[in-house]
Amino acid sequence: GAGVSQSPSNKVTEKGKDVELRCDPISGHTALYWYRQSLGQGLEFLIYFQGNSAPDKSGLPSDRFSAERTGGSVSTLTIQRTQQEDSAVYLCASSFTGVETQYFGPGTRLLVL
Amino acid sequence: GENVEQHPSTLSVQEGDSAVIKCTYSDSASNYFPWYKQELGKRPQLIIDIRSNVGEKKDQRIAVTLNKTAKHFSLHITETQPEDSAVYFCAASFPGANSKLTFGKGITLSVRP
Repeated sequence: GAGVSQSPSNKVTEKGKDVELRCDPISGHTALYWYRQSLGQGLEFLIYFQGNSAPDKSGLPSDRFSAERTGGSVSTLTIQRTQQEDSAVYLCASSFTGVETQYFGPGTRLLVL
Repeated sequence: GENVEQHPSTLSVQEGDSAVIKCTYSDSASNYFPWYKQELGKRPQLIIDIRSNVGEKKDQRIAVTLNKTAKHFSLHITETQPEDSAVYFCAASFPGANSKLTFGKGITLSVRP
């Protein structure tokens, strides 16, 4: 079946602009994660959605970052007033439950000029 | 919350040799320990996982061992090949409806031909 998809695959924006990144998880997966990966670095946890529970936002680096998940499926990560340090690959992953195998999307490569 | 650490950050081995990558975790309640492989420019993918009710699991050239007393688990790769060169992430999670997977920072394995 279809895996996790993300769009856009690449995004170039100017400093100060807002961006929206989209994640379509695998159908039926209740858990959805967002991670940020800077060049050559590890997976930085951003936010975690599990079913109808309140999201775990403990990894969001600033109040410029927000995410929502509509209808328990598609998720959007929004970065307001982008900064150059926001440049990274943003990865989304979904799993059947929060503690099972995570399937990652291809990522969105964000470049802030 | 859970804290997962990986050491060293890089490992270089000669083709054909074995490689062992070790992770430690902090929460004794953790019971699920997956390993992910991320090749250059690609998304992380699960390669093997283990649950706390077993001490070892093998899949062809890779194996994972778990020491619950010492709170560490290791990835073993035998007869390494150049295509094993990648970043390897370990992770851990504890049971619970909203529990999430916590990743280590990753180890870069280089297999010298």
